[in-house]
Amino acid sequence: NAGVTQTPKFQVLKTGQSMTLQCAQDMNHNSMYWYRQDPGMGLRLIYYSASEGTTDKGEVPNGYNVSRLNKREFSLRLESAAPSQTSVYFCASTRENGASGYTFGSGTRLTVV
Amino acid sequence: KQEVTQIPAALSVPEGENLVLNCSFTDSAIYNLQWFRQDPGKGLTSLLLIQSSQREQTSGRLNASLDKSSGRSTLYIAASQPGDSATYLCAVHGSGNTGKLIFGQGTTLQVKP
Repeated sequence: NAGVTQTPKFQVLKTGQSMTLQCAQDMNHNSMYWYRQDPGMGLRLIYYSASEGTTDKGEVPNGYNVSRLNKREFSLRLESAAPSQTSVYFCASTRENGASGYTFGSGTRLTVV
Repeated sequence: KQEVTQIPAALSVPEGENLVLNCSFTDSAIYNLQWFRQDPGKGLTSLLLIQSSQREQTSGRLNASLDKSSGRSTLYIAASQPGDSATYLCAVHGSGNTGKLIFGQGTTLQVKP
């Protein structure tokens, strides 16, 4: 099925460990986004890529890095995980600046102990 | 800075009732507004997308309206069913060209049989 695919779905890390969350879309969308969702805080933008070859910080970028590998793939990396990064992470994409609406992946539930 | 507020935070209704969920935003210069549904532990499913030039959109038992000048949108659910139980999120896409969504905190709906 067409859409946004995120891997892994669940992950437990120890403090200080690193990992990369993967996201791929097959809708030929130009723009891709990483959000985190926390109870009481709603969804907050971490990083985004308006088009292939560009990335920009969102509202809460500290502790994260991103790579727009190609038009399909946008990865999020935690270099040294902290308990404060325990969250549910969502990747999203849109065709061109949101004109066609956004499609979200099913999320990665990350726990840092 | 755009802020999005959803009222009420939670709602419990008996099956069959018609109901209205509210969303307000502080900056009327929006590109579009999107309503999502989120089931517990799941991702976001797009329900309706309203462009800034539109007044309403309909899909089945759902109707979303947009009043840009007053900074309000409503999601109307007709003849509610237990399967409608979920969290409903409103998200605003600002008029800039970065395509970033700003989310409300959501309304958690419970429809009792």
